[in-house]
Amino acid sequence: GDQVEQSPSALSLHEGTGSALRCNFTTTMRAVQWFRKNSRGSLINLFYLASGTKENGRLKSAFDSKERYSTLHIRDAQLEDSGTYFCAGNSNNRIFFGDGTQLVVKP
Amino acid sequence: EAAVTQSPRNKVTVTGGNVTLSCRQTNSHNYMYWYRQDTGHGLRLIHYSYGAGNLQIGDVPDGYKATRTTQEDFFLLLELASPSQTSLYFCASSDALGGVSYEQYFGPGTRLTVL
Repeated sequence: GDQVEQSPSALSLHEGTGSALRCNFTTTMRAVQWFRKNSRGSLINLFYLASGTKENGRLKSAFDSKERYSTLHIRDAQLEDSGTYFCAGNSNNRIFFGDGTQLVVKP
Repeated sequence: EAAVTQSPRNKVTVTGGNVTLSCRQTNSHNYMYWYRQDTGHGLRLIHYSYGAGNLQIGDVPDGYKATRTTQEDFFLLLELASPSQTSLYFCASSDALGGVSYEQYFGPGTRLTVL
């Protein structure tokens, strides 16, 4: 989207490895959400952050409102982590989505 | 129990057809949203509402109407469906305070195909 630049657009990882996704925002966002769209097309909420970092299992996210970016780190990737990951910046009563990162985890 | 539900989950219609997508949330949230998601794109906002009887225009509203009948129910209406409206549609709800919305919760999606 115009307000959110998400990278990379595609990522391939071998099982057990890790990487980071990043979203840069063109305006100040109050919070960020990260989602995974699974193979059935459902959107799974991963994180909601208004600041700082959060960790859940093998996933860790950080958000810096002042510097206008957020990251999602995946470690020890598993096959079931495959899917499309979206970030979304929350600005008042709206959220703005990045275009997604298509992650493929290979054996 | 799922807090945001959508129906139908899949729909096929023909060009010019009339389609209604339904969304119900049991989160007691005041904001509800309709998005479409196409391959290679993030979710794009069609319409949203901050309460029963209210409707706000999103970023891609052309060809769509919406109606919020109750706090729980938000409908998306395609009165003359076109092939360009073939997409995956998501409904979401969120709480808000002072005009600031918080975390959004999404339904499972409706896949619409317009032939």
